[in-house]
Amino acid sequence: NAGVTQTPKFRVLKTGQSMTLLCAQDMNHEYMYWYRQDPGMGLRLIHYSVGEGTTAKGEVPDGYNVSRLKKQNFLLGLESAAPSQTSVYFCASCDLPGLAGDNEQFFGPGTRLTVL
Amino acid sequence: AQTVTQSQPEMSVQEAETVTLSCTYDTSESNYYLFWYKQPPSRQMILVIRQEAYKQQNATENRFSVNFQKAAKSFSLKISDSQLGDTAMYFCAFTGSNYKLTFGKGTLLTVNP
Repeated sequence: NAGVTQTPKFRVLKTGQSMTLLCAQDMNHEYMYWYRQDPGMGLRLIHYSVGEGTTAKGEVPDGYNVSRLKKQNFLLGLESAAPSQTSVYFCASCDLPGLAGDNEQFFGPGTRLTVL
Repeated sequence: AQTVTQSQPEMSVQEAETVTLSCTYDTSESNYYLFWYKQPPSRQMILVIRQEAYKQQNATENRFSVNFQKAAKSFSLKISDSQLGDTAMYFCAFTGSNYKLTFGKGTLLTVNP
């Protein structure tokens, strides 16, 4: 099993450009999450999904959109990138709470995004 | 809303010694999970240890153990026999009934030879 994978690993954008980050998991998990990590801030939740076709806002959703058309994929979109969106982005997935018994989230390797 | 506080931005320890990282949290929920994640320079988030709030016994995983004080809302991580490979950023995290993780800001641990 590959676990949670993220594409791309690195990206540089110019202000105003758009892009999509792809997260894929092969563990048949229901829940998926997108976080951003900034120095001194820990990880903050952007958006999440509790199942195929559903999405919800997290702590810092502004400037981002997401889609979960297939259970195994969770896409994060930036329509018009801004320098404030320079960050490391992590995707995570989790089994249905209660099934695994511990609500553990499994993380991808991260994507470093720089917006100039 | 839940909050997680890690009051030690940086810590250092000598190899083979013991170090304790602090974490406090705030919640009104009665059942929840607490986690410690390790993030080495590779950037990968690695689960170190987990604790279920309704379990009174403190979790242990080899050299890693926690001191869970539910009434005080405290969840500290003890690393025994520290190794150079333990050098990393450590994050405390909380999840409750909404299944969303709330992270602390992290503690950078350096293990010195």
